[in-house]
Amino acid sequence: QVHLVESGGGLVKPGGSLTLSCAASGFTFNNYYMTWIRQAPGKGLEWVSSISDSGSTVYYGDSVKGRFSISRDNAKNSLYLQMNSLRAEDTAVYYCARRFISSSKSGFDPWGRGILVTVSS
Amino acid sequence: QSVLTQPPSTSGTPGQRVTISCSGSSSNIGLNTVNWYQQLPGTAPRLLIYSYDQRPSGVPDRFSGSLSGTSASLAISGLQSEDEADYYCAAWDDSLNGVIFGGGTKVTVL
Repeated sequence: QVHLVESGGGLVKPGGSLTLSCAASGFTFNNYYMTWIRQAPGKGLEWVSSISDSGSTVYYGDSVKGRFSISRDNAKNSLYLQMNSLRAEDTAVYYCARRFISSSKSGFDPWGRGILVTVSS
Repeated sequence: QSVLTQPPSTSGTPGQRVTISCSGSSSNIGLNTVNWYQQLPGTAPRLLIYSYDQRPSGVPDRFSGSLSGTSASLAISGLQSEDEADYYCAAWDDSLNGVIFGGGTKVTVL
């Protein structure tokens, strides 16, 4: 059974840093693009960042470009999101998600349960 | 402000058919496939429709997707109470070089 579990969230002050992790199991991790998506309280979904199966190609949303860094460790079946210079507007539930079909742009599924990041003084 | 435009809400009675539109442009829906997600209250989203009209295993066939030009639509036939949720469309945008989501549509079953 495919399983994604996020960790590392919590309360951080504006300007601070935080690293999120996503532990994957139940599938061949190094065959799939992986993605971070967030949802601010009471708001819609916002794509944050994606990384290719090998880790050689990364993509970022404009709102996080230059501040966030996505990475993966295929030996550990883990995905990461390093978040720097955090702002109040980064407050959200962050979801880790897998590309649905490894060989095509087929959307994201499954998703983890999400982890809350709160940026506040 | 989302690049993909969805109506904020829609409603229907059990058994009715409802449709949700997702309006985009030539840099997203006009070029790339559209995927739809369902988010039940208090849960993570799940993939409902991918590549415009394909259903993952386990998704009931009362859910269907379609495309017309630079707009996509999600239809729910035979609406059921458990379909009450938020629905989001998404697509890759070649101009932004990233994924964009619609603002979401809340479906209420009356």
